[in-house]
Amino acid sequence: GAGVSQSPSNKVTEKGKDVELRCDPISGHTALYWYRQSLGQGLEFLIYFQGNSAPDKSGLPSDRFSAERTGGSVSTLTIQRTQQEDSAVYLCASSRNGGRGSNQPQHFGDGTRLSIL
Amino acid sequence: EDQVTQSPEALRLQEGESSSLNCSYTVSGLRGLFWYRQDPGKGPEFLFTLYSAGEEKEKERLKATLTKKESFLHITAPKPEDSATYLCAVQAPGTSYGKLTFGQGTILTVHP
Repeated sequence: GAGVSQSPSNKVTEKGKDVELRCDPISGHTALYWYRQSLGQGLEFLIYFQGNSAPDKSGLPSDRFSAERTGGSVSTLTIQRTQQEDSAVYLCASSRNGGRGSNQPQHFGDGTRLSIL
Repeated sequence: EDQVTQSPEALRLQEGESSSLNCSYTVSGLRGLFWYRQDPGKGPEFLFTLYSAGEEKEKERLKATLTKKESFLHITAPKPEDSATYLCAVQAPGTSYGKLTFGQGTILTVHP
């Protein structure tokens, strides 16, 4: 498809387990963003990629969270030793370009709904 | 710190009853203000970008306007299919690398 694709759409796991969430951005989009959406919290920025590098990781809530991007395309968000407070919808977005001068619209996937038991 | 406040939190309209949603923002300079629509279980869908005060954008029954302190999303003669959560977000020069700061959203319900 032409849009941002995320998998899995739903993930249920036990507290303490590690999870990996995947994002396939729109073809040709160099900028990629991860956000988290929780009830009552709205959408919170996690991390930004330009190509394969991550100049801004300021939104990652703890060192249990990490992300990488390969080939300037697919990105994986990994959460280690999951906690119940990690339960949320994790959204990925991409845009044509990024950087300090960018104001291109970001296009979102449908997210991964993560539930920690 | 950039802040975005949306009001009302929820809005119930009858089909055909026009109204407006508000997005107030506080940023040290504005690079862009974005409106999104989000349906349950889906990701936000891009609607509009506004870059400077006085700018207006239209799409079907929606019209977005921008001043130096706030943006309005006007909905003219809404239909039930316009029911969704509408999100406002800003980008600012002090915001690294184009990340968006979102408001909490307005839940719009349009009754037939």
